[in-house]
Amino acid sequence: GNSVTQMEGPVTLSEEAFLTINCTYTATGYPSLFWYVQYPGEGLQLLLKATKADDKGSNKGFEATYRKETTSFHLEKGSVQVSDSAVYFCALRGSGNTGKLIFGQGTTLQVKP
Amino acid sequence: DAGVTQSPTHLIKTRGQQVTLRCSPISGHKSVSWYQQVLGQGPQFIFQYYEKEERGRGNFPDRFSARQFPNYSSELNVNALLLGDSALYLCASSSGLAGQYNEQFFGPGTRLTVL
Repeated sequence: GNSVTQMEGPVTLSEEAFLTINCTYTATGYPSLFWYVQYPGEGLQLLLKATKADDKGSNKGFEATYRKETTSFHLEKGSVQVSDSAVYFCALRGSGNTGKLIFGQGTTLQVKP
Repeated sequence: DAGVTQSPTHLIKTRGQQVTLRCSPISGHKSVSWYQQVLGQGPQFIFQYYEKEERGRGNFPDRFSARQFPNYSSELNVNALLLGDSALYLCASSSGLAGQYNEQFFGPGTRLTVL
């Protein structure tokens, strides 16, 4: 079945450091890929998405490229801020008319001043 | 515009009890999905409803049930609560089922604690 694997956290960075959070997936067909962010005590917010191979999703300085050949969707940001501290979830939605999202286990990011 | 709303915010129950969680989707959205997020893990899909019909079900026991009302709001019911049901229950709404209409917007969740 479909699945998502994220790098283990927590990830601790200094402000303005470069961020990479790895995400790989297993899926049949052509899934859509997502990154969600969860701030403490809140629900999930969609950060970015990509719906086909080689698409690049971007938002608020974060980027991720849908790589079908490596089944990956790594999240990157060139310069993190303290306000980026949160839990980040990689997710996929399989092809077809279903809203079911399959999430990775989440990666906690802590950015220190 | 209001986002997805859920009630209650927090809930404490004891083993064996029953609980009902409520969700109101974004105005105009016709689909509601429910997810369970156990502490330290990613959300797990429970149900999706569209136009009051069940359109998807995750790998959860029959103790979990849901329904969607004519105004597109939804309830999630869990019977015979177990300690392992303690989790954050998230509701998400989307305007439809397919493609761009399937983007899901999440509510803040209901934190259920089973003692």
